[in-house]
Amino acid sequence: EAEVAQSPRYKITEKSQAVAFWCDPISGHATLYWYRQILGQGPELLVQFQDESVVDDSQLPKDRFSAERLKGVDSTLKIQPAELGDSAMYLCASSSQGGHEQYFGPGTRLTVT
Amino acid sequence: QKEVEQDPGPLSVPEGAIVSLNCTYSNSAFQYFMWYRQYSRKGPELLMYTYSSGNKEDGRFTAQVDKSSKYISLFIRDSQPSDSATYLCAFDGLTFGKGTHLIIQP
Repeated sequence: EAEVAQSPRYKITEKSQAVAFWCDPISGHATLYWYRQILGQGPELLVQFQDESVVDDSQLPKDRFSAERLKGVDSTLKIQPAELGDSAMYLCASSSQGGHEQYFGPGTRLTVT
Repeated sequence: QKEVEQDPGPLSVPEGAIVSLNCTYSNSAFQYFMWYRQYSRKGPELLMYTYSSGNKEDGRFTAQVDKSSKYISLFIRDSQPSDSATYLCAFDGLTFGKGTHLIIQP
């Protein structure tokens, strides 16, 4: 069964350091999403890609966060510099073009110390 | 008023009971209604997806949507300990509730 892959699964970093997360969506899925989920909350959309183009990044803190999907397949989310408040689960999801059903990866749990 | 309201629980019920999970929403423009299940330290898994008022059944799960009242529900029949998880409602795939933590007691 096709799955969304994410790495690393866990990351501990010190504040002010840079950190990057990687996502490989289900093959053929044109739409890719990055979410942040704080413990006890629902996922919050950070950025949405359609192929290699950003569709919505209105909730992405652009002073420290960046996301790219250069070839329209896998994607990287970067935080620089990390802050204590960035500790959360970072989830990647994908969907087929025009589809509303999203398939989530296992997430990357980030702890900033 | 928050866009989505969902009781975080925890909701604890005995094995075999019927479980009712609910969300209310304020945005009448929402067209698609989903329920996700999320186990601890895992990503959400899509359970049910519907776009119209009424009921949709899939095995032990029934999703109910009432657009006039802006209210959606998920019913789980014959609940099992393996159903213990957090259940998230979602609207148009992009707006999520906080999730309800469900515990099924053996």
